Amino acid sequence: DAGITQSPRHKVTETGTPVTLRCHQTENHRYMYWYRQDPGHGLRLIHYSYGVKDTDKGEVSDGYSVSRSKTEDFLLTLESATSSQTSVYFCAISGGGNSPLHFGNGTRLTVT
Amino acid sequence: GQQVMQIPQYQHVQEGEDFTTYCNSSTTLSNIQWYKQRPGGHPVFLIQLVKSGEVKKQKRLTFQFGEAKKNSSLHITATQTTDVGTYFCAPMEYGNKLVFGAGTILRVKS
Repeated sequence: DAGITQSPRHKVTETGTPVTLRCHQTENHRYMYWYRQDPGHGLRLIHYSYGVKDTDKGEVSDGYSVSRSKTEDFLLTLESATSSQTSVYFCAISGGGNSPLHFGNGTRLTVT
Repeated sequence: GQQVMQIPQYQHVQEGEDFTTYCNSSTTLSNIQWYKQRPGGHPVFLIQLVKSGEVKKQKRLTFQFGEAKKNSSLHITATQTTDVGTYFCAPMEYGNKLVFGAGTILRVKS
């Protein structure tokens, strides 16, 4: 598997608390993505990054923010977690130019 | 953005039977990728199709891209229990964004 690590792997948090998920890569890839996966919805793109400090919204970006201060790290923040954000979150990386995505092992987030 | 419909949502087959999942778009696609996700795992890239009418094979898996580049299919011949998982199609959008279909869950009875 590509050098991509997500942390934490599991997290339980309460409604209204801030949460930050981290994605770290050792491949020096330009593109990084955050997806959420829910039953019946497949993988939905939250935000993505095409370079340091260059990010853009995906199809389900409301309630989420991201930051990329270094090539290797892409952070996903839920400013005030809600129960609807209970999901499995996947980070992915790509070299761009139609290159395939390589996914991390995912973070299972439960908001109670 | 581009939307793709993937059918069926779910298929349960007897080991040795064939399986096909279809991916349909209302717009012309520049290219499409296919991924497989084992239960409890993460999606793994299988293949990319770029050319109109393209057909690619990987052992028992056959991937096709339609002539109009609006649909694609994945066919598995003689399924095995190792084929269990969810298969996703994913067209590439402008800006290097990959938009995934809802996936087809395959279960194989031995």
